[in-house]
Amino acid sequence: RKEVEQDPGPFNVPEGATVAFNCTYSNSASQSFFWYRQDCRKEPKLLMSVYSSGNEDGRFTAQLNRASQYISLLIRDSKLSDSATYLCVVNGGGSYIPTFGRGTSLIVHP
Amino acid sequence: DTEVTQTPKHLVMGMTNKKSLKCEQHMGHRAMYWYKQKAKKPPELMFVYSYEKLSINESVPSRFSPECPNSSLLNLHLHALQPEDSALYLCASSRETGSSGNTIYFGEGSWLTVV
Repeated sequence: RKEVEQDPGPFNVPEGATVAFNCTYSNSASQSFFWYRQDCRKEPKLLMSVYSSGNEDGRFTAQLNRASQYISLLIRDSKLSDSATYLCVVNGGGSYIPTFGRGTSLIVHP
Repeated sequence: DTEVTQTPKHLVMGMTNKKSLKCEQHMGHRAMYWYKQKAKKPPELMFVYSYEKLSINESVPSRFSPECPNSSLLNLHLHALQPEDSALYLCASSRETGSSGNTIYFGEGSWLTVV
């Protein structure tokens, strides 16, 4: 079983839709969690950290479910510019090197 | 704008060439990383430097040779590469390894083509 798993998609949604991605992790001792966004032929960029209490940044909401060992990213009112690959990153719990999921591709269409 | 700077942005090299990729950060980070990324795949860890010492080598072939001259600089020396080594090479840094909340910041990457 992979340490960090994501549905690769693509998720194909119309503008204005709400879309959610999940990412599961296998190491129950993992301590920190992040969502990165990667545009085509660009480097990954930090979108948001994921806190135990959940956090929101504009149209983006990230949540952590430790009991079920997954994190989620919710995007409301999708924009064309949200089209990208969203990478889940998990850190800690003995493996102090951040571990990447394979990424989820989002395509927002008019 | 990224605070991790990589040069060159694009590199084409022959299989007998020797070249180097360079990376610089001035955030005071003590951990620096090299990742390799192929199309439609996540970044794949190659090397980790912690406090200027190589701490992780993910079984990378010896034709890739990392170097950390000081806490701000990280190089990747390339020699006798193969066409399958063509990829995006990403440098990254973080405050340090071995801690939670270890956010990684990436450079824009160096696109390498081996001919």
